[in-house]
Amino acid sequence: ILNVEQSPQSLHVQEGDSTNFTCSFPSSNFYALHWYRWETAKSPEALFVMTLNGDEKKKGRISATLNTKEGYSYLYIKGSQPEDSATYLCALPNQAGTALIFGKGTTLSVSS
Amino acid sequence: NAGVTQTPKFRVLKTGQSMTLLCAQDMNHEYMYWYRQDPGMGLRLIHYSVGEGTTAKGEVPDGYNVSRLKKQNFLLGLESAAPSQTSVYFCASSYGPLNQPQHFGDGTRLSIL
Repeated sequence: ILNVEQSPQSLHVQEGDSTNFTCSFPSSNFYALHWYRWETAKSPEALFVMTLNGDEKKKGRISATLNTKEGYSYLYIKGSQPEDSATYLCALPNQAGTALIFGKGTTLSVSS
Repeated sequence: NAGVTQTPKFRVLKTGQSMTLLCAQDMNHEYMYWYRQDPGMGLRLIHYSVGEGTTAKGEVPDGYNVSRLKKQNFLLGLESAAPSQTSVYFCASSYGPLNQPQHFGDGTRLSIL
């Protein structure tokens, strides 16, 4: 079973702080990596799908980078706001390429 | 803009009862998935389907059955509910699992007493 590790499990920052967290995965047979944002009492929403080594994607204050050779992706949030409070999930396709396997997520709490 | 619709949204069952959760999508997606969410466990894949008439087991399939008789619908069944199946269930769909994002329903909160 594919092992998708996310760290830290949770973190708490103050409004205006910038922060980042990590998704680690086996570097062999890489095809794609997904990031999702999951607010409490809502359903997960896709942020990015990344496929190329060195890829960098950005949506507003949120950006992500990908290193497929060493098996990690970083998600950055610049100038965190209370509305950024959510769980951020990373996911990769299973070995058969038929479904996504999710990490356990990083839960971000932003205080005003 | 319906997207992915799950019914019901909430349900309480007694141990041993059966029920079916319905997922419907209107985006013509080939792939559909059922997940369960438990505290500290993230999203775990129960079963999935790569097209009409097909189903496959995910990470935690025991105690569940699924059917995909129509492309737009994916049903999750509990034949004999157990307290360990108390969870929030999410359905999702996509054009494909590799480089296409998944679209999620709002979830079904299921409690088994």
